[in-house]
Amino acid sequence: DSGVTQTPKHLITATGQRVTLRCSPRSGDLSVYWYQQSLDQGLQFLIQYYNGEERAKGNILERFSAQQFPDLHSELNLSSLELGDSALYFCASSVGLADEYEQYFGPGTRLTVT
Amino acid sequence: AQSVTQLGSHVSVSEGALVLLRCNYSSSVPPYLFWYVQYPNQGLQLLLKYTSAATLVKGINGFEAEFKKSETSFHLTKPSAHMSDAAEYFCAVTHTGNQFYFGTGTSLTVIP
Repeated sequence: DSGVTQTPKHLITATGQRVTLRCSPRSGDLSVYWYQQSLDQGLQFLIQYYNGEERAKGNILERFSAQQFPDLHSELNLSSLELGDSALYFCASSVGLADEYEQYFGPGTRLTVT
Repeated sequence: AQSVTQLGSHVSVSEGALVLLRCNYSSSVPPYLFWYVQYPNQGLQLLLKYTSAATLVKGINGFEAEFKKSETSFHLTKPSAHMSDAAEYFCAVTHTGNQFYFGTGTSLTVIP
């Protein structure tokens, strides 16, 4: 158990809908990262937050957005869903920015868009 | 831009044989390097990391990796494969700590 929790574990929804994925980092970790894992794209970095502020953006679509709240949990919002958005979404956390950048991954949320 | 290349999307070894999973990175400056393992239906777990200290890094479960700057490589090895090592392995690189780049993964099969 990494200490990172993600809810829900599974999500099935229809095209065009909007969903919210939630992540709680390890106790004491200030950085949260979101990743998308699909068979054809592999593991893609989406976005990073540090202590409530966006720090880095990767291959995140405009239909996707995220935020980190004062209690440090984070949410990834996916809207206007398409079939191609079906994937595993992982959250990871790390202590901060000036450490050795070790990330701890949550168990993931499996999103299926039908 | 940084990138990571994992040669061999599938590797099969016999139980007890040497495991060698290859990772090459492209970066003008030596980055931080990581190996992660992913078991079915689970998240990624850190095996080991290189952060510019010793070039030979020992990780969990008997794995180790050697950073070779001249070859821009960070190959993962284990002297003797166990059935429980069957999983997906990912090499990752970062230079800033903000953005991580992952390889496409290598699926390891251990044959009894």
